[in-house]
Amino acid sequence: NAGVTQTPKFQVLKTGQSMTLQCAQDMNHEYMSWYRQDPGMGLRLIHYSVGAGITDQGEVPNGYNVSRSTTEDFPLRLLSAAPSQTSVYFCASSETGFEQYFGPGTRLTVT
Amino acid sequence: GQSLEQPSEVTAVEGAIVQINCTYQTSGFYGLSWYQQHDGGAPTFLSYNALDGLEETGRFSSFLSRSDSYGYLLLQELQMKDSASYFCAVRDSTGANNLFFGTGTRLTVIP
Repeated sequence: NAGVTQTPKFQVLKTGQSMTLQCAQDMNHEYMSWYRQDPGMGLRLIHYSVGAGITDQGEVPNGYNVSRSTTEDFPLRLLSAAPSQTSVYFCASSETGFEQYFGPGTRLTVT
Repeated sequence: GQSLEQPSEVTAVEGAIVQINCTYQTSGFYGLSWYQQHDGGAPTFLSYNALDGLEETGRFSSFLSRSDSYGYLLLQELQMKDSASYFCAVRDSTGANNLFFGTGTRLTVIP
């Protein structure tokens, strides 16, 4: 099993550009989520999904969109990148909630 | 809403025991989780407490007191590789599997 995979590992965007961060899991977990982590801070929830076709907003959803067409994939779209979105993005999946499996992260810089 | 407090930094000697505390405030408590994150890496699950008491997993133990809204992670026989950030997290009250993370404790193990 690959677990949770994310692409790309690194990305540099200019302000105003859009892009999609990819996330996939092969554990058949219904729950998936996206977090961002800024220096010296914990992880903050952006969006989550409790199953295919079902998504909802987390703590910091502005500027991001998600969709969940399959159990395996949960892409995160940045609509119009801003420097404030410079961060490390982690995707996670879970069966039970308390034990979440994280992908390796995408390090995004917006200039 | 939720809030968690943990010390920002802890330093301990190799071979010693260290305790990382976490106090929380949450509406609707479903359990306290602990995660480890090495620099540049992804968070990895360490332990979970839903009920009061001590849970032991090898060199790591986690304790919960629901009446005090308090928990701790205990690391024994510290090794240099234990130098990392440690996060406590609580399930939120939405009913989904969302975790709300503390800002983390950076543990430095010195020889």
